[in-house]
Amino acid sequence: GAGVSQSPSNKVTEKGKDVELRCDPISGHTALYWYRQSLGQGLEFLIYFQGNSAPDKSGLPSDRFSAERTGGSVSTLTIQRTQQEDSAVYLCASSLRHSAIYEQYFGPGTRLTVT
Amino acid sequence: QKEVEQNSGPLSVPEGAIASLNCTYSDRGSQSFFWYRQYSGKSPELIMSIYSNGDKEDGRFTAQLNKASQYVSLLIRDSQPSDSATYLCAVNIRNAGNMLTFGGGTRLMVKP
Repeated sequence: GAGVSQSPSNKVTEKGKDVELRCDPISGHTALYWYRQSLGQGLEFLIYFQGNSAPDKSGLPSDRFSAERTGGSVSTLTIQRTQQEDSAVYLCASSLRHSAIYEQYFGPGTRLTVT
Repeated sequence: QKEVEQNSGPLSVPEGAIASLNCTYSDRGSQSFFWYRQYSGKSPELIMSIYSNGDKEDGRFTAQLNKASQYVSLLIRDSQPSDSATYLCAVNIRNAGNMLTFGGGTRLMVKP
C-alpha cells in the first residue's frame, strides 16, 4: 500500500515568512509524528497526534511552531516568522497506534531552507 | 549522558564481511528498539525491530538485545556496497512519553 507522503519535497523561504508543511499518513494509522533532522542535532521529536486525543507538543522548539491534524488523517505543520535556524529536513512518520510496540514509518521529508 | 548513544563512525568493512553496529541506551524501562537505515539525502527506513532479549534475524540482518547491559546491536552479514548508509538506533524511552529517541547514527561504508 501507499506509504507516508509529504509535500512539498523542498521549500525555500525568506526569513520572516510563514510556511506550511503537509503530511498524509499511511491509511489506517492513527498515530502521526513530526520530527526534524538537522546537521549537528540529529533526529528530534516535535509533536505527535494519536487519534482524537490532544496532541503532545512537548518537542516543539518555540511558539512559532504549531501543527494540526484534520479528520484524524492529514496533518499540517506550520512555522511562523521563519528563522534561519529552522532550516532542516522535516520528517513525518505514522504508526498503527501510539504505543511502545508499534513501528513508525517515515515519509520522504520536506527540506526547508530559510534564506 | 545522551539517552541513546552510537559511535558515529565511519565504520568501514570489506564487501562480504560482517558489519557490527552498536547502540547503548540509558533508560532501563525502555521496551522497544528499532534500527533504521538512512541513505544520504533520503529519509530513515525501518529495517528491524526488537522487543525481547536475545537475537532476531531477518535475512542478512540480526538484531541483538541485552536489556541487562542496556545494549542493542545490529549485525549485517555478507555486507554489500549497497549497505553503505547511516544506521540509526531508536529506542522507545518510557520516561519520555513513549517517544522514539534516536541515536546520532553510525555511518557504515562497505568497500568493494
